[in-house]
This record gives sequence, structure tokens and C-alpha cells, in this order.
Amino acid sequence: DADVTQTPRNRITKTGKRIMLECSQTKGHDRMYWYRQDPGLGLRLIYYSFDVKDINKGEISDGYSVSRQAQAKFSLSLESAIPNQTALYFCATSDAERSGNEQFFGPGTRLTVL
Amino acid sequence: EDQVTQSPEALRLQEGESSSLNCSYTVSGLRGLFWYRQDPGKGPEFLFTLYSAGEEKEKERLKATLTKKESFLHITAPKPEDSATYLCAVQADRETSGSRLTFGEGTQLTVNP
Repeated sequence: DADVTQTPRNRITKTGKRIMLECSQTKGHDRMYWYRQDPGLGLRLIYYSFDVKDINKGEISDGYSVSRQAQAKFSLSLESAIPNQTALYFCATSDAERSGNEQFFGPGTRLTVL
Repeated sequence: EDQVTQSPEALRLQEGESSSLNCSYTVSGLRGLFWYRQDPGKGPEFLFTLYSAGEEKEKERLKATLTKKESFLHITAPKPEDSATYLCAVQADRETSGSRLTFGEGTQLTVNP
């Protein structure tokens, strides 16, 4: 969805490096999410945020941190990357007031940790 | 713990050959069931939300239905452009609005011309 953008789209890094993935949205939604997708495991929620002051852990938050810099921006950081964090990462947004509970996804970031 | 199981894992159809994808779920109170389409290298694209048993929604060649234990995505006379991975997700009614979707692993659909 062009309204949700992610940068970078691809990243290769080494074990131990700090990595930041960024997400921006122009949909005006208040809720934002970070997921990772692995073959055979589906999409799993890392963190989610209901507004700038509200950050919540998902089911697999260990090794990750997030920052909600503004309503439209939500960043995911890997403080010290490890190989099993190699995955596809997706940002998503939602706004229950206007669109129900459905979430709208960005194009993804493919992260490889060597 | 909420669970979503999709079957089959992969499905090959000939163009025009109708079929159905299954999503079985276990959740303590269903707030909503969601279907998404995902093309290779892209993010999931929202298709439908179903809220209660008996509900049906249609979009072009796709129709989603819901019972108390499962949902079906019916594909009528598919075309090659329908080839994609179809994802099912549930949201429990204990969750505050807009949070925590539990996804299945998806069904990879290939439609041959």
C-alpha cells in the first residue's frame, strides 16, 4: 500500500550491529504495528502503538525496541542484530474509528543478518 | 491461546477451476476474522473482514464465508492473476480495538492458464 512506506527495502548487516527500520504513513491512522514474517511461522507481532505515548509489546519483542516519533512514524530497532532475526519485516496501520479493525501493511523490509 | 490453521498449504488450479481455501480458528470470543492477499515480495493486501457466523462478503471472483469454527475463501473461475498467498487472521474480543491479529501460515494459490 503506497500510503505506508518502509525504509530500507533491503538490508544486509552483520551480527552485533545496531539496525533501525523506519515506517511512515499518510493514512492518518493512529495505530501502528511491527510484524516479522518467517517461512512456516507466518506473521508475528513484535510491537504495536495506539498513539505517540502508548507502546505495547507483541508476542516476540525480545531483542527489539521501537520508537513512535510522531503519529505518522514508527521505527523498529535491533540493538544487536543476530542471524535468527533474518526475516521479512512489515509495518502496518489501522484506525478503528474510520475503517474497522483491519490493518494496512507496508511493502516490507527484507533483513539479512550474517 | 488463539490459533489459526489454513489448508491446504498450497493449491494449484487450472484457469476457470473453482475451489475453496479453508481457515480453521480457535479464539476465546471472535471480534473479527480477516482475509488478506499477499504477492511475492509485497505486503499483505486487505480483502475482507467477517464479524459473525453466517456472514458473507464478495469481491470479484472471491467470496468469504464464516462459521463459528472456520472460514472459507471461495474462488470462482479463477484467473492467473489470482495467484498469490492468501492469509487468514483473527482478532479476539478481549483485545482493545485495532490490536493483535493472529495469522495463519497462508495458502499459496497458483492458477495456471
